[in-house]
Amino acid sequence: DAGVIQSPRHEVTEMGQEVTLRCKPISGHNSLFWYRQTMMRGLELLIYFNNNVPIDDSGMPEDRFSAKMPNASFSTLKIQPSEPRDSAVYFCASSLWVRLGENQPQHFGDGTRLSIL
Amino acid sequence: GQQVMQIPQYQHVQEGEDFTTYCNSSTTLSNIQWYKQRPGGHPVFLIQLVKSGEVKKQKRLTFQFGEAKKNSSLHITATQTTDVGTYFCAGAGTYKYIFGTGTRLKVLA
Repeated sequence: DAGVIQSPRHEVTEMGQEVTLRCKPISGHNSLFWYRQTMMRGLELLIYFNNNVPIDDSGMPEDRFSAKMPNASFSTLKIQPSEPRDSAVYFCASSLWVRLGENQPQHFGDGTRLSIL
Repeated sequence: GQQVMQIPQYQHVQEGEDFTTYCNSSTTLSNIQWYKQRPGGHPVFLIQLVKSGEVKKQKRLTFQFGEAKKNSSLHITATQTTDVGTYFCAGAGTYKYIFGTGTRLKVLA
């Protein structure tokens, strides 16, 4: 079975450029999460979707960050304009949400290692 | 907001020694999950605990959920070099999990 697929695996770009990260969740999963991981701040939840609808984007650091989920099999995280402090590993994860209080394991993609010069 | 803290932040052990990481939540949790992230890898689900006082074992790993459902622990018996990585607990909220700060384990051969 295919797991969560993220692209690109690595991205190096200059500050000011637009960056788009992509994620394909596991088929059948209805929850999708975007995380950012750095040494200083650990694993931070940026935004999560349930049935393609953004439920909580309180973790999105600034207006420069935006995320979309146009359908159940695809999501994007966009940074525009990018800054050096955005350098991190960005993970996408998906899970199956059944009902309130009944959480399922999250399956993570391999991540995108983003470097902003 | 809800916070989940883990201690210690780092732990170096000699191969064969035991290791324990502790997870504490500021609020009562409906359940808790544990993940392992190998260096350069992504978090991988290990286990989920749901009941108050629950204890589960996976080979050399023992997971406990506190009676008040606000804390949890992971104990590894006789560590091996393959246990190297960062261990995260994740406390359940309504729709999402709040990940702990993680404990980075290094095993010296």
